[in-house]
Amino acid sequence: DSGVTQTPKHLITATGQRVTLRCSPRSGDLSVYWYQQSLDQGLQFLIQYYNGEERAKGNILERFSAQQFPDLHSELNLSSLELGDSALYFCASSSRWGSGQETQYFGPGTRLLVL
Amino acid sequence: AQKVTQAQTEISVVEKEDVTLDCVYETRDTTYYLFWYKQPPSGELVFLIRRNSFDEQNEISGRYSWNFQKSTSSFNFTITASQVVDSAVYFCALSSNSGYSTLTFGKGTMLLVSP
Repeated sequence: DSGVTQTPKHLITATGQRVTLRCSPRSGDLSVYWYQQSLDQGLQFLIQYYNGEERAKGNILERFSAQQFPDLHSELNLSSLELGDSALYFCASSSRWGSGQETQYFGPGTRLLVL
Repeated sequence: AQKVTQAQTEISVVEKEDVTLDCVYETRDTTYYLFWYKQPPSGELVFLIRRNSFDEQNEISGRYSWNFQKSTSSFNFTITASQVVDSAVYFCALSSNSGYSTLTFGKGTMLLVSP
């Protein structure tokens, strides 16, 4: 158990809908990362927050947004969902940010299926 | 841009065989960090090891060992006396301070260990 929690574990929804994925980092970790894992794209970095502030953005669609709250949990919002958004979404956390050496510990993921 | 290549898509071995998973990386940074993660059938991503670019010592942890060679930009992972529980997808990843600590993953190698 990495100490990172994600809810829900599974999510089934329809095209055009909006969903929110939630992540709680390990105790003491200030940095949260979101990744998407799909069959065709593999594991891709989406966005990262450190202590409430956005620090890095990857291949995140404009329909997707995220935030990190004062209690350090993070939410990833996916809107106007398309079939291609079906994927496993991971949250990871680390204690610090910026040097590259931080080890990221991953949550169990949220498996999203868009029908 | 950073890139990680895992040329082996799938490897099948019989229990007790040794197996090596290859990882080749590309980066322009002089300081960078390499990681291996394991994704068992249950889906979570489990951290295995982190290696700094300035430390080329090989590492051994039980049946696992890692061979880092800067000259060939490779960070290979060997499992000795493989077991059925080793069956998983293994990912090699790269990060650096210029990438704001985000991980660039390879496509993964699926290892199947049969009894």
